[in-house]
Amino acid sequence: KAGVTQTPRYLIKTRGQQVTLSCSPISGHRSVSWYQQTPGQGLQFLFEYFSETQRNKGNFPGRFSGRQFSNSRSEMNVSTLELGDSALYLCASSPNPDRSNEQFFGPGTRLTVL
Amino acid sequence: AQSVTQPDIHITVSEGASLELRCNYSYGATPYLFWYVQSPGQGLQLLLKYFSGDTLVQGIKGFEAEFKRSQSSFNLKKPSVHWSDAAEYFCAVYQAGTALIFGKGTTLSVSS
Repeated sequence: KAGVTQTPRYLIKTRGQQVTLSCSPISGHRSVSWYQQTPGQGLQFLFEYFSETQRNKGNFPGRFSGRQFSNSRSEMNVSTLELGDSALYLCASSPNPDRSNEQFFGPGTRLTVL
Repeated sequence: AQSVTQPDIHITVSEGASLELRCNYSYGATPYLFWYVQSPGQGLQLLLKYFSGDTLVQGIKGFEAEFKRSQSSFNLKKPSVHWSDAAEYFCAVYQAGTALIFGKGTTLSVSS
């Protein structure tokens, strides 16, 4: 079974631009979560989607948004990029939101904002 | 709010020596606890998890962890470290209503 895939793997943008990252979960998984990883703040939860609905949201500004499609694929969007948005963005999938489920992580998208 | 503390930022262990990585959590109810490992350029891989029951849990790659409620700790252990264990290790707790709350991580270096 294929793992979680994230595209693109690397991305370079300039301040003020917007960016869209994509995540394809493991087949059959309907829950997708997004995390931001930076050296200073570590791993921080962005949001979680299940059955095309956002279930939970972390403490990030409204410039960060996401959505989930009927095939469970998910996208996250960051508008008006800031230098501080440079990070590794990780996507994780699980069969459903039950907290006992293991979350399977993708390799991440490395975003650099210049 | 729930939180996870990993007191050691960086640890160096000789190959073949034992390993213990510390993790302390703050959580009111019975916690759901996890240890993940991240190799350079990779995503996170689950090593083990604890929900209830036996306080010593076994994971993959020879790792185990001991849950101690009285100390609010969930330390990761391995009897004999291999060079391939060099990576960053994250302890996490599942926060009800949101998702995983991670510690800042411990980087493990293995010396020969």
